[in-house]
Amino acid sequence: EAQVTQNPRYLITVTGKKLTVTCSQNMNHEYMSWYRQDPGLGLRQIYYSMNVEVTDKGDVPEGYKVSRKEKRNFPLILESPSPNQTSLYFCASSLSVEGRRFFGPGTRLTVL
Amino acid sequence: AQKVTQAQTEISVVEKEDVTLDCVYETRDTTYYLFWYKQPPSGELVFLIRRNSFDEQNEISGRYSWNFQKSTSSFNFTITASQVVDSAVYFCALSPNTGFQKLVFGTGTRLLVSP
Repeated sequence: EAQVTQNPRYLITVTGKKLTVTCSQNMNHEYMSWYRQDPGLGLRQIYYSMNVEVTDKGDVPEGYKVSRKEKRNFPLILESPSPNQTSLYFCASSLSVEGRRFFGPGTRLTVL
Repeated sequence: AQKVTQAQTEISVVEKEDVTLDCVYETRDTTYYLFWYKQPPSGELVFLIRRNSFDEQNEISGRYSWNFQKSTSSFNFTITASQVVDSAVYFCALSPNTGFQKLVFGTGTRLLVSP
């Protein structure tokens, strides 16, 4: 089944404790991206990647890092999480730059 | 700059009513793509439609229809004979054809359909 998976689905952590949210797709898509969803703000793009080793900032990249060492994986790294990064995070992939985005199930992160 | 406005924060209807969700966008690109996604209470994002800027034909898919008007920069979504299962948050999104994979979302419209 074609899908995008994210882990963990839920995470509660404390300020400053480094964490990684994994994202993996099995559709051989070149394009992947991360979004955060906050009430009243919709979804905002954090980072995107157009291929292995090619990444760029979205609209809200501060406090986040990403890497794309393999085509299928695009982890989101929070080196020193803060409470304002409490949010619902979605990973997405697509076949082309303008194509339909396939979204993962979401990761709900709470930073205390 | 790219922007998507969904002015309706929440809409409540009774089952079988028709409802239209508004989406207005801003872009300077001549080529761009518009999307609608549905987010049911379970939280996942469900793809509904993608439309490119050169295709202004309206689209109908079952009870769903979309009205794209470049002249007013709008891409409105109508549900005919709404059902309780249509209750969800609906997002309109814009992807400019800049060669970079940006996707700009509106803030969403929450639709509540009561029996």
